[in-house]
Amino acid sequence: DIQMTQSPSTLSASVGDRVTITCRASQRISDWLAWYQRKPGKAPKVLIYKASSLEGGVPSRFSGSGSGTEFTLTISSLQPDDFATYYCQQYNNYPYTFGQGTKLEIK
Amino acid sequence: QVQLVQSGAEVKKPGASVKVSCKASGYTFTDYYIHWVRKAPGQGLEWMGWINPKSGGTHYTQKLPGRVTMTRDTSISTAYMELSRLKSDDTAVYYCARYYCGGDCYIDYWGQGTLVTVSS
Repeated sequence: DIQMTQSPSTLSASVGDRVTITCRASQRISDWLAWYQRKPGKAPKVLIYKASSLEGGVPSRFSGSGSGTEFTLTISSLQPDDFATYYCQQYNNYPYTFGQGTKLEIK
Repeated sequence: QVQLVQSGAEVKKPGASVKVSCKASGYTFTDYYIHWVRKAPGQGLEWMGWINPKSGGTHYTQKLPGRVTMTRDTSISTAYMELSRLKSDDTAVYYCARYYCGGDCYIDYWGQGTLVTVSS
C-alpha cells in the first residue's frame, strides 16, 4: 500500500496567515492526489484534485502543487471558516489511501 | 444538484452485519462509480472500495477480506455497503462518495455519513 504522510499533524494559525500543509507519498503517484477539508459532523469536501486543480466553488485562496511524491496545500490568507481538518488522498493505486490528517486550529 | 443521502445510524452487536444505503440524486446514477470510505474515532479516513453502478462490478480493499459487499439497485438509484462479522473496531462513520469522471477523475460529492456503533 502507498503510505501518505502529512505534516504537520496539528497547525496553529491566525486569521490572515498563510499556511502550507505537506503530503508525502511512499512511492510516485504522478499527480493523482486530492485534498479534502473535513469539519466535525460534516462530510469531507473536495478542495483540490489532480494535485493542483481547484474544485468549482472553492475559494481561490486554496491552492495545491506537487507531483510524484511531494505535494502541498496552501491557504494564502486564512479565514475563520477554514479551521478544520485537512486530508490528502492518493488515487493512483489501490487501495486508495489518505494521509492521517492535519488539524488546523485557531492560535 | 448532486446529493447522496445515506441511511440512519445503526447500533449492532459484535458478529452481526450492517447494511448502509446511499441514495443518489441530481445526476445519472449509472454514470459514475460510488466509493465507500470510513472514519473511526481517533483514526484517519479509510478507503473501503467501490461499485460500478452500471455493471455492478466491485473492487474492495484487502483489509476487510470477505467481510464487505457492495451492491446497487439502479431502479431507485441506491448503492449499498454491507459489512459482516462486525467487530468493535468497525465502529465508525461510513461515507459513500461519487467518483466523478469528466476529463479528470476524482471523488467529488460525499454523503452525510452513517454512524455505525458496534457494542455488546
